[in-house]
Amino acid sequence: DSGVTQTPKHLITATGQRVTLRCSPRSGDLSVYWYQQSLDQGLQFLIQYYNGEERAKGNILERFSAQQFPDLHSELNLSSLELGDSALYFCASSPRPGDEQYFGPGTRLTVT
Amino acid sequence: EDKVVQSPLSLVVHEGDTVTLNCSYEVTNFRSLLWYKQEKKAPTFLFMLTSSGIEKKSGRLSSILDKKELFSILNITATQTGDSAVYLCAVINSVIQGAQKLVFGQGTRLTINP
Repeated sequence: DSGVTQTPKHLITATGQRVTLRCSPRSGDLSVYWYQQSLDQGLQFLIQYYNGEERAKGNILERFSAQQFPDLHSELNLSSLELGDSALYFCASSPRPGDEQYFGPGTRLTVT
Repeated sequence: EDKVVQSPLSLVVHEGDTVTLNCSYEVTNFRSLLWYKQEKKAPTFLFMLTSSGIEKKSGRLSSILDKKELFSILNITATQTGDSAVYLCAVINSVIQGAQKLVFGQGTRLTINP
């Protein structure tokens, strides 16, 4: 158990819908990262927050957005969902940027 | 574009064998390289390597980084069936104003047969 929690564990929804994934980092970690893992793409970095501010963006679609709240938990919002958005979404945290990252258990999103 | 390449992509060995997994990288402003083990769930952190030539060791696992040749290896000795997993290599580019990306390789799927 890494200390990073994610909810929900599984999510099944229809195309065109919007969902919110939630992440609580390890106690004391200020930096939160979101990743998408699909079978054909491997682990892809989406976005990073540090102490409430967005710091880095990866291959994140415009239909996706995220935020980090004052209590340091983070949410990833996925809208206008498409079948291709079906994947495992991981959240990771680290004390500071540049430190090793610890991953949460992931949310498996299935879009039907 | 930053790139991390792992080899082999798949490896099947017998319990007790020693294996070496490879990771090469091309990134701008390299900062550190990390190894993770992924079974059916989240990647689990194994090692973080920042300096060349210094071996990191944890039980039967060890890893070393060569910053001149831009690669790292992960060794597992006396393998056990519990070592079966996907091993991921990732590289952190330099941290500028707190911005950091972790670029992952495709992973090596290791299967240990009893």
